[in-house]
Amino acid sequence: KAGVTQTPRYLIKTRGQQVTLSCSPISGHRSVSWYQQTPGQGLQFLFEYFSETQRNKGNFPGRFSGRQFSNSRSEMNVSTLELGDSALYLCASSFASGNEQYFGPGTRLTVT
Amino acid sequence: SQQGEEDPQALSIQEGENATMNCSYKTSINNLQWYRQNSGRGLVHLILIRSNEREKHSGRLRVTLDTSKKSSSLLITASRAADTASYFCATDTNAGGTSYGKLTFGQGTILTVHP
Repeated sequence: KAGVTQTPRYLIKTRGQQVTLSCSPISGHRSVSWYQQTPGQGLQFLFEYFSETQRNKGNFPGRFSGRQFSNSRSEMNVSTLELGDSALYLCASSFASGNEQYFGPGTRLTVT
Repeated sequence: SQQGEEDPQALSIQEGENATMNCSYKTSINNLQWYRQNSGRGLVHLILIRSNEREKHSGRLRVTLDTSKKSSSLLITASRAADTASYFCATDTNAGGTSYGKLTFGQGTILTVHP
C-alpha cells in the first residue's frame, strides 16, 4: 500500500506571495491532518479534515486554510506569506480519529 | 502549546546499549504515540499505546504508559547506528471526547548511536 505523498517537496517563495501544498493520503484513509514544524515551536497542529469537512483547527491565523476533496486528497494554502512561515509542513492520514497517523515526507517551505 | 515534555533532550550511546526516553503530558489522553524522525524528514510511526494499556512491544521497542503519573517511556534495546534520529511522543488528548485528528507533540529526544 502506497504511503502518504506530499507535493512539492521543496518550495521557495517571497514574502507576500501565497502557496498551495498538496497531500495524498493512504488509500482508504479519510482523515487528513496538517502540521507545521519549526525549530522554535516544534510540531504544531494546523487542522484536520474528514470527508471534506474541517473538524478541528489549531491556533493559526486565518492566512492558513485548507480543503479536502471527495477522493480524500487535501490541500493547504497559506496567503500573504511571512518570513515566519518558513517551516516543514507535514500532513498525516489516518483511518479514523484515535488511530495511528501516518506522515508524509513533508514540504519544506522557505520564505525570503 | 506543547502537551508533553521529553527527557532527556539528547542522548548519546554506543551500539548495543539500550536507550530510554521519557515523555510526560498534562491532560487526559485517548492514546499516546511514538514517532521517529530522521534529519528533518517525515515522521515514522513506531507504536501506539491506548490509555487502558500499560505496556506494548514491537520488535526492539518497548513502550510503557502510566496514566496516574501522566508519563510514558520508550525503550530501544540493542541499539544500532541506524536508530540515530529524533524521537517524539504525541498525545491524542481526551478533553471531552474525540480529538478529531489532533496530536500534540513533545519537543523530542535526539538520539545518537555511535558505531
